[in-house]
Formats: sequence, C-alpha cells, structure tokens
Amino acid sequence: QITLKESGPTLVKPTQTLTLTCTFSGFSLRTSGVGVGWIRQPPGKALEWLALIYWNDDKQYNPSLKNTFSITKDTSGNQVVLTMANMDPVDTATYYCTHIVRDYDPLTGYYPRAFDIWGQGTMVTVSS
Amino acid sequence: DMQLTQSPSSLSAFVGDRVTITCRASQSIGSHLNWYQQKPGKPPKLLIYAASSLQSGVPSRFSGSGSGTDFTLTISSLQREDFATYSCQQNYSPPFTFGQGTKVEIK
Repeated sequence: QITLKESGPTLVKPTQTLTLTCTFSGFSLRTSGVGVGWIRQPPGKALEWLALIYWNDDKQYNPSLKNTFSITKDTSGNQVVLTMANMDPVDTATYYCTHIVRDYDPLTGYYPRAFDIWGQGTMVTVSS
Repeated sequence: DMQLTQSPSSLSAFVGDRVTITCRASQSIGSHLNWYQQKPGKPPKLLIYAASSLQSGVPSRFSGSGSGTDFTLTISSLQREDFATYSCQQNYSPPFTFGQGTKVEIK
C-alpha cells in the first residue's frame, strides 16, 4: 500500500523560505518510472502543480510561479524535499505530495501519467 | 500556460441522476486529461486518466470521454457519496494545470 505524508512548518513569514518534506512508503524512488510531485491548493481555490522529481533525478518546475523552487530526493529513497524561497501571503495553501508514474508518448515524450496517490496535505500560512 | 475551463462551475442533482461535467482545453492536448474527485478537507482522488481510463478501484458509474480540446466526465447514476468537487487536469505540457473545479451538490 502506497502512502505519503507531508510535514513542515504551519506558519512562515513573508520573504522566508519554506521547506516541506514528503515521507512515503510502499514504493521506492529507486524504481524506474516512479516520481513524486508537489501540488498546492489555496483556501477555496483551484489546485496548482508546483514541481516533480523522478527516480532518475529528472526534475520539472512550474515556470509560471515567481518563487524559486528546489526539489530533491534523499539518498535513502523514501523522502522528497521541496524548498520554496521568497514566500508571500498568496502562497498560503494546503500543500500535497503525490505519487507519479512516468509515461511516454511518441509525440510529446515523457510525461507524468497522473497524480494517482496523494498525501493528506499540510496547511501552510504565510503571515507576518 | 494551458488553460482548462470547466462547466458548469456548480450543479445540483438528485441521487440517481446522470451528471455530465465538461472540460475544455485552450489548445489540443490529445488524450492527456485526468479527472479528480475532492471532498471537503480531503485530498483529491484520481478517477480517470488518459481521458477515458478508469483508475483501479473507482466505480464503473464514472466514465470519461473526449480528445483534443473537449472532454467529459459522466456519472451514470449519482450516488450520495459522489457529492464532491470534480477537477480536470492536463499532463500534455508543463505546467500541468488544473481546471477550476465543478461542485456537485444535492438537490
């Protein structure tokens, strides 16, 4: 059974850096084709994809966001860390990590098939 | 960025009704479209991937169709546990965007 759990601070100040950890079980980031993604949801608003990382350390980030992102996986293979710099009150949201399987389309190349299993999420408030 | 527009933004229906939600992409995305269900205070749950493939464990009353720019999620006979918000999501090109959601409420 695959499970994921997000952890990190519940409150950060504007301009500070947010560090979130996703701890998972039931799969390994050493397995070919597997990845972990981060998605957030401001209160009452739509979901927004942030970043993802695959077993081979390939990474993708949402270029439309103004924050400086970093996504890394630890050497033990069961944690992924997301770092977001320059936090702003508009970044107040529930942050989710998800399991991903990478797929391949001959026309478009590799892509995440879907965010198929989600953690419960962690609420982060950005306020002074 | 690829825009996904869902309609309607909300709807009211009776248990047993057939419900259809549409998602329109701002450009062609082939079949790179997923559907999620979200209940209050809970994370989203994947229902449909690749436009029409039913995720394992999801009841067969849920179905998806479409390709290119126009997609549909259908619930053939609405059950009480289906009252939730439904969102589409494209994985054709990054950033992997979501629709704004459709809230399905009890009439």
